[in-house]
Amino acid sequence: ETGVTQTPRHLVMGMTNKKSLKCEQHLGHNAMYWYKQSAKKPLELMFVYSLEERVENNSVPSRFSPECPNSSHLFLHLHTLQPEDSALYLCASSQDARTSGGTGELFFGEGSRLTVL
Amino acid sequence: GDSVTQMEGPVTLSEEAFLTINCTYTATGYPSLFWYVQYPGEGLQLLLKATKADDKGSNKGFEATYRKETTSFHLEKGSVQVSDSAVYFCALSDPPYSSASKIIFGSGTRLSIRP
Repeated sequence: ETGVTQTPRHLVMGMTNKKSLKCEQHLGHNAMYWYKQSAKKPLELMFVYSLEERVENNSVPSRFSPECPNSSHLFLHLHTLQPEDSALYLCASSQDARTSGGTGELFFGEGSRLTVL
Repeated sequence: GDSVTQMEGPVTLSEEAFLTINCTYTATGYPSLFWYVQYPGEGLQLLLKATKADDKGSNKGFEATYRKETTSFHLEKGSVQVSDSAVYFCALSDPPYSSASKIIFGSGTRLSIRP
C-alpha cells in the first residue's frame, strides 16, 4: 500500500467512448503527476500539478484532459482515443521539495491498464 | 539536458548470483539520485536514494553509491533471489528545489532470476 490509489485498475474502451481515470493520494502531498508507460518505451511524463495548478503539460494530445480539483485527487479524462494510446497510466504524488526541503521522491499508484479497441 | 542512461536488459541471473545494474547520469546541478523497482502488475516503488556525493543508499540488500567523479549510481546486490525479478529504473531529481519534482527516469532494466 503506497498511499496512492488508482481506479479503475483495468479499462477497455472503444475509440468513440469517453471515460475517466481517477487517482487519490492519502499522503498529504501537494504535487500530483500522470505518467504513461508503454511497452518498450521509457516512462513518459504527461502532466504535473503543484498546489492544484498545472505546471507541466508535455505536448500531450488534447484527447487527454487532466483535472485536479484538490491536492488529494487527480483525474485523467479520456475521449476519442486511438489504439496507440493503450498503455499503463501511472499516477504519482510527491511533496514539493521546495517547501519540504526533501528530495521530492515520487510515490506511485499501481496504475490503470488501458486498452483502446 | 539532463539524462539518465542505464544498462539495457533483460538481465538473467541464477539465484544467489551477484547483481550489478549500471546507471550513469548527466546533470547541470546537484541532483538527488534514485532507484525505483516495478514488480509485475504493479506501479513503481522507491527502492533507495542518495542525495549527495559519496552517499550510499541501501534497502532490501540492494546498495548504490552516488559517485560524482564518474557520474554513476550503480545498483548492486550480493545475492539475488527469485523475488527480486522486476524492472529497475534509475532516476534523478534535478533541480531538487523546483516548484514540483521533475524526476528523469532511465529506460528501465528487466531482471529475471532463475531458481
